[in-house]
Amino acid sequence: KNQVEQSPQSLIILEGKNCTLQCNYTVSPFSNLRWYKQDTGRGPVSLTIMTFSENTKSNGRYTATLDADTKQSSLHITASQLSDSASYICVVRGTGGSYIPTFGRGTSLIVHP
Amino acid sequence: DVKVTQSSRYLVKRTGEKVFLECVQDMDHENMFWYRQDPGLGLRLIYFSYDVKMKEKGDIPEGYSVSREKKERFSLILESASTNQTSMYLCASRIPGQKNQPQHFGDGTRLSIL
Repeated sequence: KNQVEQSPQSLIILEGKNCTLQCNYTVSPFSNLRWYKQDTGRGPVSLTIMTFSENTKSNGRYTATLDADTKQSSLHITASQLSDSASYICVVRGTGGSYIPTFGRGTSLIVHP
Repeated sequence: DVKVTQSSRYLVKRTGEKVFLECVQDMDHENMFWYRQDPGLGLRLIYFSYDVKMKEKGDIPEGYSVSREKKERFSLILESASTNQTSMYLCASRIPGQKNQPQHFGDGTRLSIL
């Protein structure tokens, strides 16, 4: 069964600090991996997508990495801001034309002033 | 920008009632999805539709049905609401056939069944 595991479940950091969120998956064969950000009371919004051939991709202060061999991804947030407080969800899609990706349970990040 | 609109942000209903949750998207997407989101469980797929009048069961379809009469609208129906259906419900849409395209989500309906 396809699975996506995220760690930690929750994280509290001080404003200005860096942090890294982890995502491990068993989805195979692999097509892509996407990170979503979900603010409280809002729907998830795509931050970045990683395909098989990509190792690193940045979107402002967010940097995602992918190791397709070990089936691991990370999301690194640099110089955190209060607005980074949110849930971060890792989603993995397999090949074969499936409409349905596999969702992780998310990491809840709280940034304190 | 894609806009997915869910008709209610908050809804309170009683057990046994028939409940309708509505979702409308404005980008002519063929694929639409209904999820529920519970603390510690993440998003779980209830039903999806890959085109008008088409529907497929997701992981947790029991107690739910859907309707897709027009491309832009996808409705989730709780046939006889129960307290264990209290949850956040999220609707999403997506362009089919383009594997790197994201799902676009609405802001959710927080449903309480009393």
